[in-house]
Amino acid sequence: AQSVTQPDIHITVSEGASLELRCNYSYGATPYLFWYVQSPGQGLQLLLKYFSGDTLVQGIKGFEAEFKRSQSSFNLRKPSVHWSDAAEYFCADNAGNMLTFGGGTRLMVKP
Amino acid sequence: DTEVTQTPKHLVMGMTNKKSLKCEQHMGHRAMYWYKQKAKKPPELMFVYSYEKLSINESVPSRFSPECPNSSLLNLHLHALQPEDSALYLCASSQVDRGYEQYFGPGTRLTVT
Repeated sequence: AQSVTQPDIHITVSEGASLELRCNYSYGATPYLFWYVQSPGQGLQLLLKYFSGDTLVQGIKGFEAEFKRSQSSFNLRKPSVHWSDAAEYFCADNAGNMLTFGGGTRLMVKP
Repeated sequence: DTEVTQTPKHLVMGMTNKKSLKCEQHMGHRAMYWYKQKAKKPPELMFVYSYEKLSINESVPSRFSPECPNSSLLNLHLHALQPEDSALYLCASSQVDRGYEQYFGPGTRLTVT
């Protein structure tokens, strides 16, 4: 069965600092990987996706993610975090039209 | 337009009530989903409709009854719920084929008293 792991439950960064959120997926022939963001009490917003091709993908709000098959990772990055980025971030893998979510990482931003 | 709408935003219901949650999308997606999300947890899949037919039911109790009247609408009928059913209920839609991203609505915050 597919599985997605987000090793960090909470991360705190200072505003303006760089950010990397980790995501590991279990082996699959062709992973379809996503990052979603969720503000408190809101739905999930798609940040970016990877299906194939260039392993560095750009998303909305200045986020990017890099797919590394050798490490089974799909880490999310942002060069300079804004206070409005504070939210819950979910990595997900699509297996047969079902999303498998990681446990989520809560991002807090210090002023 | 990548919008999925859900009504109501908030719902408080007693354990003997019957209520319905509604979801609508106009992106031409033929797959629609219901998720349940508890605080500090990822969404849990409940049901999947593909071409208006129920294709996946993740062993959800019968007090939750989904309905897909047409390709744009998805309902979740609620009856005799328990307090532990209180959660954020999210609707999503996507293209049917594997790998397409799912677009989520803002959710309905359900409280069962």
